[in-house]
Formats: sequence, structure tokens, C-alpha cells
Amino acid sequence: DTEVTQTPKHLVMGMTNKKSLKCEQHMGHRAMYWYKQKAKKPPELMFVYSYEKLSINESVPSRFSPECPNSSLLNLHLHALQPEDSALYLCASSQELNQPNQPQHFGDGTRLSIL
Amino acid sequence: SQKIEQNSEALNIQEGKTATLTCNYTNYSPAYLQWYRQDPGRGPVFLLLIRENEKEKRKERLKVTFDTTLKQSLFHITASQPADSATYLCALEDGGRRALTFGSGTRLQVQP
Repeated sequence: DTEVTQTPKHLVMGMTNKKSLKCEQHMGHRAMYWYKQKAKKPPELMFVYSYEKLSINESVPSRFSPECPNSSLLNLHLHALQPEDSALYLCASSQELNQPNQPQHFGDGTRLSIL
Repeated sequence: SQKIEQNSEALNIQEGKTATLTCNYTNYSPAYLQWYRQDPGRGPVFLLLIRENEKEKRKERLKVTFDTTLKQSLFHITASQPADSATYLCALEDGGRRALTFGSGTRLQVQP
């Protein structure tokens, strides 16, 4: 079991639907991340939150909307997605953003399929 | 442009042998480098971190080297086992952003 919990594990949605991915950690970490991973590719950074404030947005389309309601939770709101958005969405956390010698702890991801 | 290359997309070895995976980078000056393991359908799991002033780091059957002159890290698994079969990813801090960028990964298959 990982210390970062993501729900749901699988999600199938139509292009007009609105859904949310959720991520939770109770390690007291203050940096949280969203990554997108396509098959046989490495994780690609989407967003980074530090102390509940958005720190990095990797020019992600606005149909993806992140939210960090508190230090333990990270959401990714989805709306009007495209078939090419089908991927594994990974959440990760680390103690702090600006301490480069720290590992990231990943959840097992949400497998998203857009019909 | 910045690049992180893991030279072998796939590596097949026999059980008991040493697996050696390579990570080369271009246009980075990392203070440290990390290695992760990823199993199918799972998130990456942190294995080892090595700093720029460390030549070598060990953890059980794992060994990582870091050569900042060659801009290369080598990841070794000694006495490999079928359970070591997975994709291994190297990752670097991306400059002042303090965010990780991952290499393309090497899929290791250890044959019994």
C-alpha cells in the first residue's frame, strides 16, 4: 500500500462530462504534484502546489483545473476532455518544494479513459 | 535543449546476473539524481538518491554511481531476481523550478 491515496482507480467519462480526481496524503508533506503518464512514457509534470498555493503550471489546458483545499488533499477537476487526455494520472507529494534532496512519494494513479 | 536519456528501452538478463542501467543527461547541472522503480499499473517508487559530490551510493543489492563530468549515472542491481523485473526511471531536478523531470525509463526483465 502506498502512503498517497488516489481515487478513483479507474474512470471512464465522455467528452462532455465533468469529473474530479482526488489525492490524499497524511505524511505532513507541503508539496503536492499532478503528473500525466501515457503508456510506455515517463510521468510528465502538470501542476505543483506548495503550501496549498499553485507554484508550477506546465501550460496545461484549462480543461484541467487543480485545487488544493488543504495540506492533505489535492483535486484535479476535469471538464470537456479530449480522447488524447486518456492516460494514467499520478499524484505525488514531498516534504517541501524547495528542498531538492527529497524523494517524491507517488500514489498508484487514476486510469482515465475518455470516450 | 535539456535531455535525460536512458539508453536501453528494454534490458533482458538471466537471474543471478548484474543488471546495469544507464542515465545520461544534457544541459543540466543537477545537485542530485534520483532513481525510481515502476511496476505496471502502479506509481513510481523511490529507490535511491545520489548527490553531485557522491561518487557512489549503495542500498542492499542496489548501487548507483554519478559522474558529473560524463553527465551520467549508472544503476546496478546485483544478484538479480525475477522480482526485480520492472521499469526503472532516473530523475533530475529541473533547475530553479525544483521540480523533477524523468528519463524515458528502462524496462528490465529478469529471466529465471
